[in-house]
Amino acid sequence: DVKVTQSSRYLVKRTGEKVFLECVQDMDHENMFWYRQDPGLGLRLIYFSYDVKMKEKGDIPEGYSVSREKKERFSLILESASTNQTSMYLCASKTLQRARRGTQYFGPGTRLTVL
Amino acid sequence: RKEVEQDPGPFNVPEGATVAFNCTYSNSASQSFFWYRQDCRKEPKLLMSVYSSGNEDGRFTAQLNRASQYISLLIRDSKLSDSATYLCVVTFDAGNMLTFGGGTRLMVKP
Repeated sequence: DVKVTQSSRYLVKRTGEKVFLECVQDMDHENMFWYRQDPGLGLRLIYFSYDVKMKEKGDIPEGYSVSREKKERFSLILESASTNQTSMYLCASKTLQRARRGTQYFGPGTRLTVL
Repeated sequence: RKEVEQDPGPFNVPEGATVAFNCTYSNSASQSFFWYRQDCRKEPKLLMSVYSSGNEDGRFTAQLNRASQYISLLIRDSKLSDSATYLCVVTFDAGNMLTFGGGTRLMVKP
C-alpha cells in the first residue's frame, strides 16, 4: 500500500513564526501536492511538484513556499505564519502512470492553528 | 464560477434509501472523472472512476454526461457507513492535475 505521511497531525504556532510541514511518500511517485482544506471552500491547491527541485504554483501560493530536495519528500513552508493560514493541510502524491492517473494518495493531514 | 461544482448538502437519508449526487464541470475539454470519499477528519480516498459508458461497483453507480457536463453518483441501499463527504474530481490535462469539487456531505440515519 502507498503510504503518505505528514510530520504532525496537530500544530499550534504564533503569528509571525516560520512553519515547516513535512510530507514523505514511499512509492517513488513523481508528483507531489500540497492542499489546504477549509469549510465551504473545499480543497485548494497551494503548490505542486513534478520532480525533484521542480515546483509549480497552484491556485493559492501566496504566503507559502515549498521545497523538494528528494523525490520522496515535499515540504511546505510558511515564512511568517498568519491567522488566516489556520487550516487543514493535506499532502498528496501521484504516479505519472496513465492507468492510475486518477489516483492521488493523501496523507492524514496537519491541522494548523495560528494564534 | 467554480470549475467543479457540487451541492454541499447535507443529504440526510434513512438506512436503505437510494441517494444520488450530481456534479457539474465547466471545462468541456475535461478528460477524466472520479469520485473520492472523505470521512470526517480523514483524508480523501479514491472511490471510483467514472467512464463514459457508466460503471458500477456494488451499490455504487457512477455516470458521465459529457453533453450536459455533469457526472453523478448513485448509492443504493444506503448504509450507516456510507456517511461521508463525496468529492467530485475532474482532470483537464493528461491527468497530472486533479480539480476537486467542494464535496457533498451524506448522512445516513438509522
